Amino acid sequence: QQQVKQSPQSLIVQKGGISIINCAYENTAFDYFPWYQQFPGKGPALLIAIRPDVSEKKEGRFTISFNKSAKQFSLHIMDSQPGDSATYFCAASSGSRLTFGEGTQLTVNP
Amino acid sequence: DAGVIQSPRHEVTEMGQEVTLRCKPISGHNSLFWYRQTMMRGLELLIYFNNNVPIDDSGMPEDRFSAKMPNASFSTLKIQPSEPRDSAVYFCASAPTGGNSPLHFGNGTRLTVT
Repeated sequence: QQQVKQSPQSLIVQKGGISIINCAYENTAFDYFPWYQQFPGKGPALLIAIRPDVSEKKEGRFTISFNKSAKQFSLHIMDSQPGDSATYFCAASSGSRLTFGEGTQLTVNP
Repeated sequence: DAGVIQSPRHEVTEMGQEVTLRCKPISGHNSLFWYRQTMMRGLELLIYFNNNVPIDDSGMPEDRFSAKMPNASFSTLKIQPSEPRDSAVYFCASAPTGGNSPLHFGNGTRLTVT
């Protein structure tokens, strides 16, 4: 059972544009929602994370929006840059077990 | 901080052979996780340890898979016998505490079973 569903599977954005990736979860016990960024040949690395007691968290060009009632959260990348081209994973956990979404391959064209 | 170190980076083996993947977590981290990444199934948690003790191995696909953590600085994931469907990238990750701590991933081992 896929507990975290992520969309889109792939995304192409022009440099300077906004990239938006969406995730939905099922398990209401989840209490931690991180986003990971993965470059080819590397392991995923934590990008930004949010807990359900806040609706938004911003770090530089990266923002997480969280809608607890809808059980949805999204990543917004403002002023997208070619260096942001990577695969992005949303995730959710309750305790130590982290469940990942399917991933979104982002390409930012120069 | 050298990060999580995995070896080998690439492993090519024939069906039926034993494969051992190795991981050195970040010093001071007391949680260790093994994940498998494939195009079809994404990132799957296989097993995780806390203070060297296996806590949840429900993701281990079959009895052919086993994992050990003999001490705080070393873990192995063994597949015996290996099968072509085991081909994937295997990641080890560590975290400083239990729940909701950021995972620090290694660069993975790409396993190809022919």
